[in-house]
Amino acid sequence: AQRVTQPEKLLSVFKGAPVELKCNYSYSGSPELFWYVQYSRQRLQLLLRHISRESIKGFTADLNKGETSFHLKKPFAQEEDSAMYYCALSSNTGKLIFGQGTTLQVKP
Amino acid sequence: DAGVIQSPRHEVTEMGQEVTLRCKPISGHNSLFWYRQTMMRGLELLIYFNNNVPIDDSGMPEDRFSAKMPNASFSTLKIQPSEPRDSAVYFCASSPGTHFRDEKLFFGSGTQLSVL
Repeated sequence: AQRVTQPEKLLSVFKGAPVELKCNYSYSGSPELFWYVQYSRQRLQLLLRHISRESIKGFTADLNKGETSFHLKKPFAQEEDSAMYYCALSSNTGKLIFGQGTTLQVKP
Repeated sequence: DAGVIQSPRHEVTEMGQEVTLRCKPISGHNSLFWYRQTMMRGLELLIYFNNNVPIDDSGMPEDRFSAKMPNASFSTLKIQPSEPRDSAVYFCASSPGTHFRDEKLFFGSGTQLSVL
């Protein structure tokens, strides 16, 4: 079964601290993984995708097939990073499945 | 382009009433998705269309929910009869292609549904 699990509903850190948002997936094929972000009063939008191996707003995510994980990391959190973050998996039929989401709260 | 357009932004209705949510995808996009967002379950995929054809509706909760896409520029999600547990934010999203797994989705602003 295809599944995405984000174990933390809320992650609260201080500004300047490192951040790691956890994501684990279950998928029998070769996964395509994404992180989406929803800032307050804004639309849900793509943050990054694993295939691009990019760093967006200081965030990176590495696919670990052995651990079936795609954790989102940032070395130094900023207050403007406060948002809801969703990990997502794309199946081979184009179906995009999201995790439950993690609210990141960066305190000053 | 105004992006994905959803209406209404807010809907308050009484239990038992019919509710219709509307979505206009980005012009030229071939795939359209309906999601439901709740605190408990996060973002759940309800149904998605490819070239106006429903591909997977396994996420539709029950027969009270139905979705249509009569043409490439319009889709509806209908709940009849509505129940308080249907209260949630409903998102519509579209993407450009049909078989590109690394494509990103473009989301609408959502419809906040409250069933009293």
